[in-house]
Amino acid sequence: GAGVSQSPSNKVTEKGKDVELRCDPISGHTALYWYRQSLGQGLEFLIYFQGNSAPDKSGLPSDRFSAERTGGSVSTLTIQRTQQEDSAVYLCASSLGSTNEKLFFGSGTQLSVL
Amino acid sequence: DAKTTQPPSMDCAEGRAANLPCNHSTISGNEYVYWYRQIHSQGPQYIIHGLKNNETNEMASLIITEDRKSSTLILPHATLRDTAVYYCIVRVGATGNQFYFGTGTSLTVIP
Repeated sequence: GAGVSQSPSNKVTEKGKDVELRCDPISGHTALYWYRQSLGQGLEFLIYFQGNSAPDKSGLPSDRFSAERTGGSVSTLTIQRTQQEDSAVYLCASSLGSTNEKLFFGSGTQLSVL
Repeated sequence: DAKTTQPPSMDCAEGRAANLPCNHSTISGNEYVYWYRQIHSQGPQYIIHGLKNNETNEMASLIITEDRKSSTLILPHATLRDTAVYYCIVRVGATGNQFYFGTGTSLTVIP
């Protein structure tokens, strides 16, 4: 597609439920990032994928968070047993993966945990 | 990656130049300076980046001091649509992976 696509755009869930957030990066982009942005805050790095390398998971806040990237393209961020503090906008970005690359962001998924 | 320090907020009159400062005193020799902006309810948008030399593109200019410990993003003729949060980030170009976004500078362009 023309840009990074994220779905759903909005997700409302109950505390304790699992949620899956999807990111379709720009075709040909080998690098993919997930960030989280709480209301009025900056972006918090979560995880980074680069090609076939092992992902950098250093930003995941707890073991309830996990992410996969299948076939080097689409990525899914899964949050298990959601808590109210998980409420935030989850942003995905992709890039060519080479030196000096720009990040291209999707519009995000607004997650609300009731 | 080096940390960056930005003022939390700034105002600028429409049509005037907006100069947004960023301190990155611990920057390493191979770390690039990137600027992104985030307009309300949208994902961040790339503006410009540089290593040592000043850079200019259709959106803005980036002035990096000779010691590379600070930089300034210049929007030459600010418009109301430039109202956004501006993030200054330093990142290792060759091997770094995460872009660390701080809280940025909230720029308000005033009519």
